[in-house]
Order: sequence, then structure tokens, then C-alpha cells
Amino acid sequence: GQQLNQSPQSMFIQEGEDVSMNCTSSSIFNTWLWYKQDPGEGPVLLIALYKAGELTSNGRLPAHCIITRKDSFLNISASIPSDVGIYFCAGEAGTSYGKLTFGQGTILTVHP
Amino acid sequence: KAGVTQTPRYLIKTRGQQVTLSCSPISGHRSVSWYQQTPGQGLQFLFEYFSETQRNKGNFPGRFSGRQFSNSRSEMNVSTLELGDSALYLCASTQGANVLTFGAGSRLTVL
Repeated sequence: GQQLNQSPQSMFIQEGEDVSMNCTSSSIFNTWLWYKQDPGEGPVLLIALYKAGELTSNGRLPAHCIITRKDSFLNISASIPSDVGIYFCAGEAGTSYGKLTFGQGTILTVHP
Repeated sequence: KAGVTQTPRYLIKTRGQQVTLSCSPISGHRSVSWYQQTPGQGLQFLFEYFSETQRNKGNFPGRFSGRQFSNSRSEMNVSTLELGDSALYLCASTQGANVLTFGAGSRLTVL
């Protein structure tokens, strides 16, 4: 079945540093999504990418999906303590009602 | 606009019991999906409902079931609970495209 490999698994950074994480798929996804999950909460949508090669951003969070639609990248610029959490990429194949395929998550720790 | 509401937030059951979890989607959202989240398996798709019909189903045993009501509210049920069913169960809703808005989840512990 479809798989998403997300890396890195965890990151420990200093406040103010930039961060990059990525997901690689074994198959094509029509839509790429990035979510952030805080402890005890559900995932919150950060950004959605709908087109091959699309580059978009949500404030300090630029993200893009490369032209083959099999890879996506999320960057965080000038990290702040509230960026701490688990970041998930997710892919949607187009005709799969409600079904997203999620990556394993990247645990981000930001040291003040 | 209220978000996706899930109840209860926490519950503890014993093996062999059954459990029902409830989800109220965002007003106007007719599609409701359910996911199971565990440390080992991550986020796994359970099923999706739209207009009271199950349109998609993940790879879970028949002990996991769900339904949707005419007001789009949804419930999921797990019968004959096993220790491995301990997880965070997440409900998500959407208007149409698969850009899901998740609730805070129901954390189930099976003893």
C-alpha cells in the first residue's frame, strides 16, 4: 500500500534556528498536507499543497511539493518555543474519501 | 465557528467491554472520518461517513464500527475490547475535499 517516509524522526534545535523536514512517498498524492499536533490535542492543519511544484507558506512556515508529487518539504524559519510539537505530513490520493496517509511524524524540540 | 467536538475525552475500559465514542463535526461539514493513533502504528484510517453512508473503510477488524446521523454527528463503536485497542481516537470533518479538521480526540485505555 501507500507509504510515507517522514524524516527526521526528531530534531533538537535552538530558538531562532531554521528547520526543515520532508516526506517521501512510494506513490503520487494529489494533495499534500502538513499538520502539527500538541500533547493531548488533535492534529491542526498548517498548510495544504494542491499542485505539483507548488510552493506556499503559512507565515514562518513555507512548504512545497516537488513536481513529481511524491515528495513534500516543510520549513520553519526562526523557530520559537511554541513551535514545539509533532509535525506530520499527510497525502491524499484523490478518490479516497476521508482517507489520508500519514507520515510517522517529526518531534520538534526548541531550546530557548 | 465551533470546531470538531469529541466526547468523552478520556475513558478507561476493561478487556471484553465495548465502547462508544461520539463526534460532532463543524457545522456544515457532512463528511466525518475516524482515525486511530498509537505510538507504534501512528495515525491509521478507520472509516469515513457522508450523508449517513459509509463511503470508505480502513483495514480494521469488524469489532470497529461506526455510524452517522442525519445531523452529520457520528459515533464509532468498538466491541470486545482488547489491550491493543488502547489509543487516541480522532474524528475529523470536512466540507468536501480531504483537508481534514481534527477534534481533540478520545483517549481510550483498556485494562
